[in-house]
Amino acid sequence: EVQLVESGGALVQPGGSLRLSCAASGFALSSYEMNWVRQAPGKGLEWVSYISSDGSTIHYADSVRGRFTISRDNAKNSLYLEMNSLRAEDTAVYYCARGWRSYDYWGQGTLVTVSS
Amino acid sequence: EVVMTQSPATLSVSPGERATLSCRASQDVSRNLAWYQQKPGQAPRLLIYAASIRATGIPARFSGSGSGTEFTLTISSLQSEDFAVYYCQQYYNWPPCTFGQGTKLEIK
Repeated sequence: EVQLVESGGALVQPGGSLRLSCAASGFALSSYEMNWVRQAPGKGLEWVSYISSDGSTIHYADSVRGRFTISRDNAKNSLYLEMNSLRAEDTAVYYCARGWRSYDYWGQGTLVTVSS
Repeated sequence: EVVMTQSPATLSVSPGERATLSCRASQDVSRNLAWYQQKPGQAPRLLIYAASIRATGIPARFSGSGSGTEFTLTISSLQSEDFAVYYCQQYYNWPPCTFGQGTKLEIK
């Protein structure tokens, strides 16, 4: 069974940093592109970042470029999102999602709250 | 960036009836469109990709159509478990892919 499990969400002050993780099981992470997608409370979905299967190609949304860093460790079946200079508008549930352009499996999400 | 507009924002339909949800793109996205279902407290679930191909395990009552800028998700006979929020997503002009704001399908 394919599973994606996010962790690392927390309450953090504006300007702070956080690292999210996504543990994959039930499939070979090394064969798939991966993404982070977020959802602010009561709002819609926003794509955040993409990483190719081997990590050689990375893309970011304009809203996070220069502050967030996506990475992966295929040997550990894990995906990461390093978030710096966090702002109130980054408050959201962050999902990891498998796929190139449409996303066939999603994790349950981890909540990041940016507030003083 | 391609803007996706879904209508209506809320759709009230009785169980057993047909529901038709619309999604419009601000520019041509060919058939590079997906639909997702999201229930409260849950992650989105992929229903349709490439405008009309059902994802694995999705019941036949869900169908997608359209191309270019106009797309439709049809649920032929609503079941109780179908009441949820539905999002369309374009991935033709990527990155970024962009989502619509969602249509809430509620019980009439």
